[in-house]
Amino acid sequence: KAGVTQTPRYLIKTRGQQVTLSCSPISGHRSVSWYQQTPGQGLQFLFEYFSETQRNKGNFPGRFSGRQFSNSRSEMNVSTLELGDSALYLCASSLGLAGDYEQYFGPGTRLTVT
Amino acid sequence: AQSVTQLGSHVSVSEGALVLLRCNYSSSVPPYLFWYVQYPNQGLQLLLKYTSAATLVKGINGFEAEFKKSETSFHLTKPSAHMSDAAEYFCAVTLGVTGGGNKLTFGTGTQLKVEL
Repeated sequence: KAGVTQTPRYLIKTRGQQVTLSCSPISGHRSVSWYQQTPGQGLQFLFEYFSETQRNKGNFPGRFSGRQFSNSRSEMNVSTLELGDSALYLCASSLGLAGDYEQYFGPGTRLTVT
Repeated sequence: AQSVTQLGSHVSVSEGALVLLRCNYSSSVPPYLFWYVQYPNQGLQLLLKYTSAATLVKGINGFEAEFKKSETSFHLTKPSAHMSDAAEYFCAVTLGVTGGGNKLTFGTGTQLKVEL
């Protein structure tokens, strides 16, 4: 079974631009979560989608948004990029929302904002 | 609300020695607890999880963890370290459907170094 895939793997953008990251979950998984990883703040939860609906949102500004499609694939968008948005963005997929399901992570997208 | 504290941002052990990585949690309801490992330039790989079925949980690569409610701890151990265990380890907690679905709250991580 194929794992979680994220595209692109690396991205360089300039301040003020916007970016869209993509995540394809494991086949059959309906929940997709996004996390930001930085050296200073560690791993922080961005949001979670299940059945095309955002179920939970972390403490990030409105510049960060996401969506989920009917095939469970998810995208996240960051508008008006700031230097502090440079991070590894990780996507995780899971069968459901129960909490005890395993969450499988993708390799991440490394975003660098210059 | 839930939180996780990992004591020791860096741990160094000799190859063949016991690995002990500490994790304490805070939760208002019975939590689900996880340990993940991250190798350089990679995502997170699940080592093991606690979901109340058994307090001693065995995971992959010879790792195990014991849930101790009285101590609010979920320490990760491995009897004999291998060079390939060198990586960063994260403890995480989630509260399930009533507490926020799959939202994982992570500790700050422990970098494990294995020396010859």
